[in-house]
Amino acid sequence: QQQVKQSPQSLIVQKGGIPIINCAYENTAFDYFPWYQQFPGKGPALLIAIRPDVSEKKEGRFTISFNKSAKQFSLHIMDSQPGDSATYFCAASGGSARQLTFGSGTQLTVLP
Amino acid sequence: ETGVTQTPRHLVMGMTNKKSLKCEQHLGHNAMYWYKQSAKKPLELMFVYNFKEQTENNSVPSRFSPECPNSSHLFLHLHTLQPEDSALYLCASSQDNGDFYEQYFGPGTRLTVT
Repeated sequence: QQQVKQSPQSLIVQKGGIPIINCAYENTAFDYFPWYQQFPGKGPALLIAIRPDVSEKKEGRFTISFNKSAKQFSLHIMDSQPGDSATYFCAASGGSARQLTFGSGTQLTVLP
Repeated sequence: ETGVTQTPRHLVMGMTNKKSLKCEQHLGHNAMYWYKQSAKKPLELMFVYNFKEQTENNSVPSRFSPECPNSSHLFLHLHTLQPEDSALYLCASSQDNGDFYEQYFGPGTRLTVT
């Protein structure tokens, strides 16, 4: 029940495309859903996060869509650039699970 | 930089060695974490320290021993490791506000056990 399932494992898009990464969770007590971005040789960096009281949050070219009834949330990257090539992790926490539970990651490649 | 530093960045050790990983945060946070990151697996939370007290140990083998002397420093002492312990070890910190944790990660230590 603590798992967060992330898909796809890898994703390749052309520059300007809109990659979408999906995550699903089971624990209905989760109430905080961040996305992290990790470049090679670096630690994960917090990119954007959402709480379940809203269905969408935008920060620059990054958007989180949240579907509470389906227990799913996704990351959209508008006008993707080669510099967005990285591994993206979703995570969740809340209720008795005060620590973050991470998805397995999506390796995104944006081709020039 | 995130304000969380880790040393060394790379470490190769034999199974009989003893070594330590160091983490320091410059963010004024009161909680610190050790994670293990293996290829194609979710980040695995190992230990949590809150106000210097260990609050979680996620069934980590005793060959990993954490130490948190103050809220800015965190160590991971390693001894008699196994090859499967080879991974990226990440330190993170956050401000525990009783609700959720916005965690800031260091760059990690790439550990290879031979």
